Amino acid sequence: KNEVEQSPQNLTAQEGEFITINCSYSVGISALHWLQQHPGGGIVSLFMLSSGKKKHGRLIATINIQEKHSSLHITASHPRDSAVYICAVTESGGSNYKLTFGKGTLLTVNP
Amino acid sequence: GAGVSQSPSNKVTEKGKDVELRCDPISGHTALYWYRQSLGQGLEFLIYFQGNSAPDKSGLPSDRFSAERTGGSVSTLTIQRTQQEDSAVYLCASSLEGLARANTGELFFGEGSRLTVL
Repeated sequence: KNEVEQSPQNLTAQEGEFITINCSYSVGISALHWLQQHPGGGIVSLFMLSSGKKKHGRLIATINIQEKHSSLHITASHPRDSAVYICAVTESGGSNYKLTFGKGTLLTVNP
Repeated sequence: GAGVSQSPSNKVTEKGKDVELRCDPISGHTALYWYRQSLGQGLEFLIYFQGNSAPDKSGLPSDRFSAERTGGSVSTLTIQRTQQEDSAVYLCASSLEGLARANTGELFFGEGSRLTVL
């Protein structure tokens, strides 16, 4: 069992829809990252959080440390949001540089 | 530029040849990471450099893989006697420090080097 599980694996939405991608993990963490990977491979860090909630434009990330769960929300989705979204965690008590990655969620937003 | 720069962006080589992949991190970033992403797979950790400390090479898949970081800046990943299973996108990333602290741990990725071994 992967220590970081994402759901859904694939998600198709219509432009304008509200989107939620979930990430659950089984280890203690010091930080959780949400990454975005567009076709062609480039990866961008969206959020790094260890508690609460962060917002950037139409993107919102939340984390519940007790429940070992994080969500990434996209409001008013747009075709340019189509990408793979990857959740990754830095385990607490271990090295402060190794990330454990989820397998990613492929989001397709249709016009 | 201001971002992480990788070269070459694409490399096609014959099985058995050696290849070198280069990463130029963001200036001032002490932490540098190499990852590999095979087709349809997730990101796989290869090696980590932090300042002048000994690198963590625990993710390197075989002794054909090596990496160095000169002067705490540019890093080179070398694959000797390439095999077809080495075909992947090799991604470099850097951060100001380690990944555990929100104010210094944001990762910045390069565009990757796509390696194809024929």
